Amino acid sequence: SQQGEEDPQALSIQEGENATMNCSYKTSINNLQWYRQNSGRGLVHLILIRSNEREKHSGRLRVTLDTSKKSSSLLITASRAADTASYFCALSGNTGKLIFGQGTTLQVKP
Amino acid sequence: GAVVSQHPSWVICKSGTSVKIECRSLDFQATTMFWYRQFPKQSLMLMATSNEGSKATYEQGVEKDKFLINHASLTLSTLTVTSAHPEDSSFYICSALRTSGNKEYFGPGTRLTVL
Repeated sequence: SQQGEEDPQALSIQEGENATMNCSYKTSINNLQWYRQNSGRGLVHLILIRSNEREKHSGRLRVTLDTSKKSSSLLITASRAADTASYFCALSGNTGKLIFGQGTTLQVKP
Repeated sequence: GAVVSQHPSWVICKSGTSVKIECRSLDFQATTMFWYRQFPKQSLMLMATSNEGSKATYEQGVEKDKFLINHASLTLSTLTVTSAHPEDSSFYICSALRTSGNKEYFGPGTRLTVL
């Protein structure tokens, strides 16, 4: 399967702590994207990292990409209760289609 | 920014009826739109790729006669779930591929409940 595999499936932390989610994949990619989805809502695009990039930052978000290990991680620093959501990685290869990972459900307790 | 809308946002229907979901790119043209399905607590699964002026391309396991896709203009794609059954109850999300920049923008989703 080309689908990205994410771990952990679920993560529960206290407000202020950091949250790290990982995404592993099997195919070659052009880029990898991270999305957030609040319960029952649409997707919010967080970050896109290209295959020739190793790290990107956006506010409290830090994404790394290791193409040799075919893995990516999303780090949310100083988490807030509002960060509670599901987070998905999505792989983009030569087909132009996005293949989504299984997602990590993050709960940030106030 | 680029905005994609879906209508309706939620729909409840009886088993055996057909339901049409619209996906519109509001401020850009999209030659290609995608339709995804998401069951509760699961990830998004691509159903089909909708190309303006041509037939949609369906992913393996998706019945093209059950999920009719029409991409009649550069800003509108529709998904019709024909003869819906309870197992079709799901969250349907569309996205539109902006030709300039080659970036995919997602709609807010449509919650379908089939009784």
